[in-house]
Amino acid sequence: DTAVSQTPKYLVTQMGNDKSIKCEQNLGHDTMYWYKQDSKKFLKIMFSYNNKELIINETVPNRFSPKSPDKAHLNLHINSLELGDSAVYFCASSPWTGRETQYFGPGTRLLVL
Amino acid sequence: RKEVEQDPGPFNVPEGATVAFNCTYSNSASQSFFWYRQDCRKEPKLLMSVYSSGNEDGRFTAQLNRASQYISLLIRDSKLSDSATYLCVVNIGETGFQKLVFGTGTRLLVSP
Repeated sequence: DTAVSQTPKYLVTQMGNDKSIKCEQNLGHDTMYWYKQDSKKFLKIMFSYNNKELIINETVPNRFSPKSPDKAHLNLHINSLELGDSAVYFCASSPWTGRETQYFGPGTRLLVL
Repeated sequence: RKEVEQDPGPFNVPEGATVAFNCTYSNSASQSFFWYRQDCRKEPKLLMSVYSSGNEDGRFTAQLNRASQYISLLIRDSKLSDSATYLCVVNIGETGFQKLVFGTGTRLLVSP
C-alpha cells in the first residue's frame, strides 16, 4: 500500500501554462505539506495544511495555490508556469505533533520549457 | 548564514569504514532534530531522530549538542547500500506543528 502518493510523477510543459499536482495520503495524518527541491537539491517547505487549514505559507509566488478538499488530500495548482518553477515537488504528511517524522511522497518532476 | 549547514561532500569511503557527518543549526529555539536519507531520484526517508542524550540504531549513532547547536551522525562498518545523501533536519515549528528546515545534504559514496 502506498502511504503518500503523488500524480503525475513527471510533468513537462511550456512556459505560461497552468498545471496541477495531486497528493493523497492513507496514513490518517492530520497535516500535509508541499516542498520544492531545486536543481541544487535544496529541499524547502512551501505550504503546510492541518485538517484543511493553511498553517504554513512560506514566501512563495501567489501563482502557487494549494487546495485541501479533505485532510487526506493536498493539491498544488501552479498558474503561468515559469522556467524557474522547474524542480521536484514533494508532498509529505505527518501526525499533528512536533516530534513525529514526516512521510514523503515519491515526488513530481516538473520541467518547464 | 544558512539555517542548517552541512558539508556537501562527497565523502568517498571503502566498505567497512567509519564515517562521521556534522551539521550546525542557527535557530536556538529548534524543537526536534532528525537525520533523513535521500537516494538518487527518490524521496527523503527518515533515518533516525536525534535525542539530547544521543541515540544509536544498529550501525548508526546520532548526537546532539544543544549548547553548540551541533548535530552529528556516525556510521560504522559502512555498506555499499549506505551510499546516499544524508540530510540534517531541524524542526523550528512552534509547539503543535512541524516546520522542518533541511540542510543541503552530505553525499556519501561507499566503494568496494
